[in-house]
Amino acid sequence: GAGVSQTPSNKVTEKGKYVELRCDPISGHTALYWYRQSLGQGPEFLIYFQGTGAADDSGLPNDRFFAVRPEGSVSTLKIQRTERGDSAVYLCASSPETGELFFGEGSRLTVL
Amino acid sequence: AQSVAQPEDQVNVAEGNPLTVKCTYSVSGNPYLFWYVQYPNRGLQFLLKYITGDNLVKGSYGFEAEFNKSQTSFHLKKPSALVSDSALYFCAALKRGYQKVTFGTGTKLQVIP
Repeated sequence: GAGVSQTPSNKVTEKGKYVELRCDPISGHTALYWYRQSLGQGPEFLIYFQGTGAADDSGLPNDRFFAVRPEGSVSTLKIQRTERGDSAVYLCASSPETGELFFGEGSRLTVL
Repeated sequence: AQSVAQPEDQVNVAEGNPLTVKCTYSVSGNPYLFWYVQYPNRGLQFLLKYITGDNLVKGSYGFEAEFNKSQTSFHLKKPSALVSDSALYFCAALKRGYQKVTFGTGTKLQVIP
């Protein structure tokens, strides 16, 4: 499809485990964002990529969270030593740099 | 720090009636402003944006939004609500020259048949 693709759509893991969430943006979009959405809340900014580099990672909650975009297209959000408080829907969006974001359907992470 | 406020957790409106979903922002300068809609178990979908110019912006599905600089508001409106408009609506703002888009907490719109 032509939209933003996120995998897995659902991930259940145990506390302390390592998790990777993948985002495949719309072709040609150089800007890529990760957001986190908890139940009843608006999306919370995590990190923004322009090309391969993280232009703004000020929203990453701590050093257990890391994201990469090595070739300027697909991005992976990595969470080490997961905690129950990390449970949320992780949203990826790409942008053609006209301002609006195009979101994927999210990866729902549940940490038991 | 920039912030976006949506003062109503839920708005109920009868089908066929006009609807308004409120949004105010606290962002320096003249920000870009957006509305997104989220249907159950789906990602956010772009509705409309304000960049500059006319204070009334028209978007998808018959929605429009009115920018008011003096009140720092960007309320979403539709002249005649449909049951299918029932969803979660998010207002967002982007400070010019930056890339971090800030979202409000969302307003659940319930259109009653």
